[in-house]
Amino acid sequence: GQQVMQIPQYQHVQEGEDFTTYCNSSTTLSNIQWYKQRPGGHPVFLIQLVKSGEVKKQKRLTFQFGEAKKNSSLHITATQTTDVGTYFCAGSAGFNSNYQLIWGAGTKLIIKP
Amino acid sequence: DGGITQSPKYLFRKEGQNVTLSCEQNLNHDAMYWYRQDPGQGLRLIYYSQIVNDFQKGDIAEGYSVSREKKESFPLTVTSAQKNPTAFYLCASSFAGTTNTEAFFGQGTRLTVV
Repeated sequence: GQQVMQIPQYQHVQEGEDFTTYCNSSTTLSNIQWYKQRPGGHPVFLIQLVKSGEVKKQKRLTFQFGEAKKNSSLHITATQTTDVGTYFCAGSAGFNSNYQLIWGAGTKLIIKP
Repeated sequence: DGGITQSPKYLFRKEGQNVTLSCEQNLNHDAMYWYRQDPGQGLRLIYYSQIVNDFQKGDIAEGYSVSREKKESFPLTVTSAQKNPTAFYLCASSFAGTTNTEAFFGQGTRLTVV
């Protein structure tokens, strides 16, 4: 069945270093969403990408959607302690509501003490 | 404040018991969803509903049941048939339509079988 693979599972960084997480789908996606889940919390929507090759920025966060609409990435520049949490991608191959979202396993961002 | 509310936050269940998790939203969303989250894994869809009095099974519906009698409410019952119910349960809602829209999540219920 349709899968969205997300890597790495964990990333340990020093505060101030960059962080990147990647998602790859086995099928072409119509769109992809990104969520952040703080420790002990619930997922919070960050952004949705729809167009092939789309790049969107939110302050230090850069989101990309691949030309083939099968992969996506989230890059955080100069991480801060407030960035700690797990970042999930969720892809959809259909256009009808969120029930068709397939979630990646998440990448946990850990700031080294 | 508009939002989506789950209760309780923590729930302990004895083996063989059914338990019901509450989910209420006042965002006027048509669509509501239940997800299960296990450590180190993404979210897996249990059930979803796009309209009152209608709901559909997700990927892991076995051992669970739902109802949607009101637009605002989508309770999930974890039955004794669910073999491994200990998990973090998340309820979400969104507008329903022809394009995917942002999902709003509740705070979650952490269920433990004792």
